Amino acid sequence: DIQMTQSPSSLSASVGDRVTITCRASQSISSYLNWYQQKPGKAPKHLIYDASSLQSGVPSRFSGSGSGTDFTLTISSLQPEDFATYFCQQGYSTPWTFGQGTKVEIK
Amino acid sequence: QVQLQQWGAGLLKPSETLSLTCAVYGGSFSGYFWSWIRQAPEKGLEWIGEINHSGSTTYNPSLKSRVTISIDTSKNQFSLTLNSVTAADTALYYCAKLGSSIWGQGTMVTVSS
Repeated sequence: DIQMTQSPSSLSASVGDRVTITCRASQSISSYLNWYQQKPGKAPKHLIYDASSLQSGVPSRFSGSGSGTDFTLTISSLQPEDFATYFCQQGYSTPWTFGQGTKVEIK
Repeated sequence: QVQLQQWGAGLLKPSETLSLTCAVYGGSFSGYFWSWIRQAPEKGLEWIGEINHSGSTTYNPSLKSRVTISIDTSKNQFSLTLNSVTAADTALYYCAKLGSSIWGQGTMVTVSS
C-alpha cells in the first residue's frame, strides 16, 4: 500500500494568514493526488485533483502543487470558513489511501 | 446534480454482519466507480472498496476477506456487506464517488455487545 503522510497534524492560524499543508507519498504517485476539506459532522468536500487542478466552485485562494512524492496545499489568505480538517488522497494505485489529516484551528 | 443517499443498521453486536446501501440520484450511474469509505472516531479515512456499473470490484486487502460490494443497476444502488464485525469496525461509513464531492451523508455504525 502507498502510505500518505501529512504534516503538520494540526496548526493554529489567524484569518488572513497564508497556510501550507504538506503531503508525502511513500512512493511516486505522479500527479494523482486529491485534496479534501472536511468540517465536523460533514462529508469531505473535494478541493483539488491531479495535484494542482482546482475543482469547480472552489475559491481561488486554494492551490495545490507537487508531483512524485511531495505535495502541498496552500491557502493564500485564510478565511473563517476554512477552519476544518484537510486530507490528501492518492489516486495512483489501489488501495486508495488517505493522509491522516491536518486540522486547521483558529489562533 | 448527482446526490447519494445511504441507509442501513447503525448498531450491531460482535460477529454480526454490517449491511449498508447507497442510492444514486440525479445523474449517470454508469461509467464511474462507486466507493465505500469509513472513518473511525477521531481517525482518518479508510477506503473499503469500489464497484462499477458492470459489477467489477476492487477491495482493500485489509478487509477483503470480510467485504462484499454489490450493485443493482435497475435501482441505481450499490451496497456494502461486512461480515464478522468487531469493535474495530465501529466507524462512520460513507458511500462516495472518490475524486469528487459526491458523498453520502454518512452512517454511524457502532459495534457493541
